[in-house]
Amino acid sequence: EAEVAQSPRYKITEKSQAVAFWCDPISGHATLYWYRQILGQGPELLVQFQDESVVDDSQLPKDRFSAERLKGVDSTLKIQPAELGDSAMYLCASSLEAGGPPEEQFFGPGTRLTVL
Amino acid sequence: GEDVEQSLFLSVREGDSSVINCTYTDSSSTYLYWYKQEPGAGLQLLTYIFSNMDMKQDQRLTVLLNKKDKHLSLRIADTQTGDSAIYFCAESPMDSNYQLIWGAGTKLIIKP
Repeated sequence: EAEVAQSPRYKITEKSQAVAFWCDPISGHATLYWYRQILGQGPELLVQFQDESVVDDSQLPKDRFSAERLKGVDSTLKIQPAELGDSAMYLCASSLEAGGPPEEQFFGPGTRLTVL
Repeated sequence: GEDVEQSLFLSVREGDSSVINCTYTDSSSTYLYWYKQEPGAGLQLLTYIFSNMDMKQDQRLTVLLNKKDKHLSLRIADTQTGDSAIYFCAESPMDSNYQLIWGAGTKLIIKP
């Protein structure tokens, strides 16, 4: 069964360091999402891609976060420099296309980031 | 703004029914979703309901929607230990380009 792949699964870093997360969506899925999930909360959308274009990055802290999906397939989310408050689970999801609901988003297992 | 609220915990005995509740605020929501999150695994879509429906049933799952009160519930019949997880309610407001607005999740605890 096709799955969304993410790596690494866990990342521990010191504040002010740079970190990068990778996501490979389900083949053929045009829409890719990056979410941040703080413990005890629901996911918060950071950025949404349609193919290689950013559809929404209004919640992405652009002073330190960047995301790209250069060939419209896999994607990288970067944080530089990391801050203590960035400790969270970073989830990647994909869906066939974002044309309106209903839309099933398929989630990867996430990358748990701990900033010391 | 949009807001989705859920109770943080629910404890039920194995074999009983579990009812997880959710309230939402946006009247333009067209679809409402229930996702399940197990430890170490990604979020998994369980079911969804269109906002002009009152009820949807899928095997052990029953979704009830009270659109007037903006109240959504998920009933799991004959709760099993494998149902232990966090259950998230999410709405997709038309006014927000159908982006999912998530609740904080309800942790379902199964007592033997």
